[in-house]
Amino acid sequence: DTAVSQTPKYLVTQMGNDKSIKCEQNLGHDTMYWYKQDSKKFLKIMFSYNNKELIINETVPNRFSPKSPDKAHLNLHINSLELGDSAVYFCASSPGGEQYFGPGTRLTVT
Amino acid sequence: GENVEQHPSTLSVQEGDSAVIKCTYSDSASNYFPWYKQELGKRPQLIIDIRSNVGEKKDQRIAVTLNKTAKHFSLHITETQPEDSAVYFCAAANRDDKIIFGKGTRLHILP
Repeated sequence: DTAVSQTPKYLVTQMGNDKSIKCEQNLGHDTMYWYKQDSKKFLKIMFSYNNKELIINETVPNRFSPKSPDKAHLNLHINSLELGDSAVYFCASSPGGEQYFGPGTRLTVT
Repeated sequence: GENVEQHPSTLSVQEGDSAVIKCTYSDSASNYFPWYKQELGKRPQLIIDIRSNVGEKKDQRIAVTLNKTAKHFSLHITETQPEDSAVYFCAAANRDDKIIFGKGTRLHILP
């Protein structure tokens, strides 16, 4: 019955690698988001998709590429990982208003 | 674009006392103001929200007030309990559903 799920929960990788994080929601929401929460706990929006269409694209390096195969899924692919990419990445979905967050993916780049 | 300032960054209150967290926003088009609670190692979860056509909203021990003219809103927690210890985020959103979060307030409830 998980509403918003993400995989993997933890991801440890080396600098320069390419990795993906997957997100799925079963709430029937049209809008999905990716957020980055750094070590200081600042929560920043990265991307938003509405019904598979990109609607928000904040100032994020183009090494980050979101992909939405359908409105229930929003994946995040990161190329050429850097130390500064270490953070917790939260996926969220929304019917408009309240954000329903996934459990987060803790990415550690070594 | 929208900018949300949140104060204080850390707040310690005695159990049973009240806690107040304040936020200001810059975009007068913002019309939705949620508050999220994030416990250690967990995801943020909505605790209360208010829309711009309302000045105050209350849910048991939690209340939020909004002053549209001054562009500020506040979270009030009364009769604080140990389980209220967490990081609290305010946020502001406009009709495009772009939500900008404040930097968070770490609330400690002291025994």
